[in-house]
Amino acid sequence: NAGVTQTPKFRILKIGQSMTLQCTQDMNHNYMYWYRQDPGMGLKLIYYSVGAGITDKGEVPNGYNVSRSTTEDFPLRLELAAPSQTSVYFCAGSGGSYNEQFFGPGTRLTVL
Amino acid sequence: GQNIDQPTEMTATEGAIVQINCTYQTSGFNGLFWYQQHAGEAPTFLSYNVLDGLEEKGRFSSFLSRSKGYSYLLLKELQMKDSASYLCAVRGVNRDDKIIFGKGTRLHILP
Repeated sequence: NAGVTQTPKFRILKIGQSMTLQCTQDMNHNYMYWYRQDPGMGLKLIYYSVGAGITDKGEVPNGYNVSRSTTEDFPLRLELAAPSQTSVYFCAGSGGSYNEQFFGPGTRLTVL
Repeated sequence: GQNIDQPTEMTATEGAIVQINCTYQTSGFNGLFWYQQHAGEAPTFLSYNVLDGLEEKGRFSSFLSRSKGYSYLLLKELQMKDSASYLCAVRGVNRDDKIIFGKGTRLHILP
């Protein structure tokens, strides 16, 4: 099993560009999460999903969108990139909210 | 609202014991997680507490007091590889399945 995979690993965007961060898991997790982590800081929850077709906002959803059409995939969309979105983005999956989260390796995004 | 507090940084000596505290104020509580994160890597799971008391797992133990909104992670026989950030996370604010993280504690181990 590959676990939780994220692509790309690194990306540089210009202000106003858009992109999709991909997240795929092969662990049959119902729950999936997107976090961002600024330098020296903890994780901030952007969006999460408790199953296919269901998504909810986290602490910092502004400027992002998600979809969950399948159990395996949970892409994160940035429509108009801003320098404030420069961060490391982690996707995670779990069997339930009482279960441990398995994190992907992260995507390092810079917006210039 | 919700608030999770941890010390920003701590330093300890190889072979010693260190306790990392976490206090939380949330409108609902359904469990507390501890994760370890090495620099440049993803977090990995250490422990989960939902009931009061101490959970021991090898060199690591985690304690929870729900009435005090308090948890700690105890690391024994410290090794250089324990140099990392330790993240406290609380589950289930308002029973909506969110898991909210604190800012993390950076632990430095000295030889």
